[in-house]
Amino acid sequence: RKEVEQDPGPFNVPEGATVAFNCTYSNSASQSFFWYRQDCRKEPKLLMSVYSSGNEDGRFTAQLNRASQYISLLIRDSKLSDSATYLCVAYYISNFGNEKLTFGTGTRLTIIP
Amino acid sequence: DGGITQSPKYLFRKEGQNVTLSCEQNLNHDAMYWYRQDPGQGLRLIYYSQIVNDFQKGDIAEGYSVSREKKESFPLTVTSAQKNPTAFYLCASSQGRLAGADNEQFFGPGTRLTVL
Repeated sequence: RKEVEQDPGPFNVPEGATVAFNCTYSNSASQSFFWYRQDCRKEPKLLMSVYSSGNEDGRFTAQLNRASQYISLLIRDSKLSDSATYLCVAYYISNFGNEKLTFGTGTRLTIIP
Repeated sequence: DGGITQSPKYLFRKEGQNVTLSCEQNLNHDAMYWYRQDPGQGLRLIYYSQIVNDFQKGDIAEGYSVSREKKESFPLTVTSAQKNPTAFYLCASSQGRLAGADNEQFFGPGTRLTVL
């Protein structure tokens, strides 16, 4: 089982719709999580950080469910510019201070006019 | 403008040749990282460095080498020992340790290496 799993998609969604996708993680000791956005053939850029139960930034909402070990990303009123691949990342730090970021494979989202 | 630069954007090499990928940052970040990204896989950590003249192996260090002689530079050498070197290579940096809300990891634009 992968440490961080995402549905690769693609999700094809009409403009203006609400879309949500989940990411599951296997390491229950993961302390925090991130959603990165990656445009085609470009570098990932941080979209949101999730340290407790969730985070909201404009049209984007991330929620963390530690009991079920998943993080979700909700995009409301989707725009054409939201078309991208969304990477889920889990952060873990051991008792020895060793940090680790584990990246999911990404969920591809296409917003259709 | 502050940021991370990687060059070249596209690189082609013959099998058996070593190649060095450049990564420079002017963000005054202490920590720097190298990842590779392959289709259908998440980013995988090759090497990282938290301070000048020190670096640690990541999850897939075999066939790669790095140096960190200057704070702003973290070049990656892909050696002929790397069995599947064709990939998208991403360099990243962060202010310090990743723990905490302020230590976002910033990525460079990447180098797409193709070994023929």
